Amino acid sequence: TQLLEQSPQFLSIQEGENLTVYCNSSSVFSSLQWYRQEPGEGPVLLVTVVTGGEVKKLKRLTFQFGDARKDSSLHITAAQPGDTGLYLCAGVTDSWGKLQFGAGTQVVVTP
Amino acid sequence: KAGVTQTPRYLIKTRGQQVTLSCSPISGHRSVSWYQQTPGQGLQFLFEYFSETQRNKGNFPGRFSGRQFSNSRSEMNVSTLELGDSALYLCASSLTGTDYGYTFGSGTRLTVV
Repeated sequence: TQLLEQSPQFLSIQEGENLTVYCNSSSVFSSLQWYRQEPGEGPVLLVTVVTGGEVKKLKRLTFQFGDARKDSSLHITAAQPGDTGLYLCAGVTDSWGKLQFGAGTQVVVTP
Repeated sequence: KAGVTQTPRYLIKTRGQQVTLSCSPISGHRSVSWYQQTPGQGLQFLFEYFSETQRNKGNFPGRFSGRQFSNSRSEMNVSTLELGDSALYLCASSLTGTDYGYTFGSGTRLTVV
């Protein structure tokens, strides 16, 4: 059972379009991380959000942490083919070294 | 600085055999966590080591074990391999295991036939 539910599972869009990925949980996390993973590689950390209501921007990517620290979203503006990948959200738990991952959202951006 | 190095990148083993995977963390990082990634279950936490001690363990059978050396390098071992053990095994290093800076290696792709 995934404590973190990601939606949608798959997203296919054209270059230049916008997209939003959601990460929801019934649990409160002290912080939440977003990763992007490409085939055959390990996840690469994009951002960590810590404070409820926090918004962080990374170029064309905007990350938001819900006020209650139970949900988060990732919005990509004017997507490019280089944004293609598996986007994973992960909750930071109180257990040493343990991240609680969502199932991931596969994003495909076609030229 | 060098990233997290996992060896080997690919491995093919037969059912019943055992396998050892290696992970060298970022210099100065003392925490190493291991994860199993499969299409059906996603990323599942295996265990975490800090200063040669296992501090945390996920819900995997005892066939999965690990250790950490004094230089923070870590190994994980899987004995009596089963077909369902086929997966991408990832390690992540961090300074303390309780901070926000986790860096993952590229993983070891294990195929059990």
